[in-house]
Amino acid sequence: DTEVTQTPKHLVMGMTNKKSLKCEQHMGHRAMYWYKQKAKKPPELMFVYSYEKLSINESVPSRFSPECPNSSLLNLHLHALQPEDSALYLCASSQVLAGVDTQYFGPGTRLTVL
Amino acid sequence: AQTVTQSQPEMSVQEAETVTLSCTYDTSENNYYLFWYKQPPSRQMILVIRQEAYKQQNATENRFSVNFQKAAKSFSLKISDSQLGDTAMYFCAFLEYGNKLVFGAGTILRVKS
Repeated sequence: DTEVTQTPKHLVMGMTNKKSLKCEQHMGHRAMYWYKQKAKKPPELMFVYSYEKLSINESVPSRFSPECPNSSLLNLHLHALQPEDSALYLCASSQVLAGVDTQYFGPGTRLTVL
Repeated sequence: AQTVTQSQPEMSVQEAETVTLSCTYDTSENNYYLFWYKQPPSRQMILVIRQEAYKQQNATENRFSVNFQKAAKSFSLKISDSQLGDTAMYFCAFLEYGNKLVFGAGTILRVKS
């Protein structure tokens, strides 16, 4: 089973709202990733967690706050977003970070910031 | 820095025919993986096929196969017997040991009936 789930599928929020995106995997993977993807562009890496610790932060603005409460869950907390943050947010997981390993992606959350 | 180049922004193919998508990459490393991901309009990024650099044999998954030319740093994807469901954006991606996944710009493939 190579399933990564994400909720919600769609999210519309105002610039003053606080919302969260959720990602879950039950493959026993110890590395989890958040990507941002604009239309017809490749995904851009935002954050990487390895063994529930933040390993990589690609200079993402502080209005995006990741959290990894356990090895199966990854959250992305959103606050005071801008319209340009509207995008598809993809979660992915892989067995480990420090290795050459396949990343499996979730279906994404389509975020619209008004 | 590693780069991945997909030189074909868009391609189209008739149903049941064969199409090849191109990908080149740049690295000085010897141990790495290469991937093709498919992203249909439903937006789920789906792994199509992967190739370990140390393996000389080209990977194959049903109708999908790759032509991996390590010396030329080329990694093309061949889709045989194209189906309407193959319509998608295809991303070539490169992963080095302990590093980040690097994507190409993508190729939009349209399969016509």
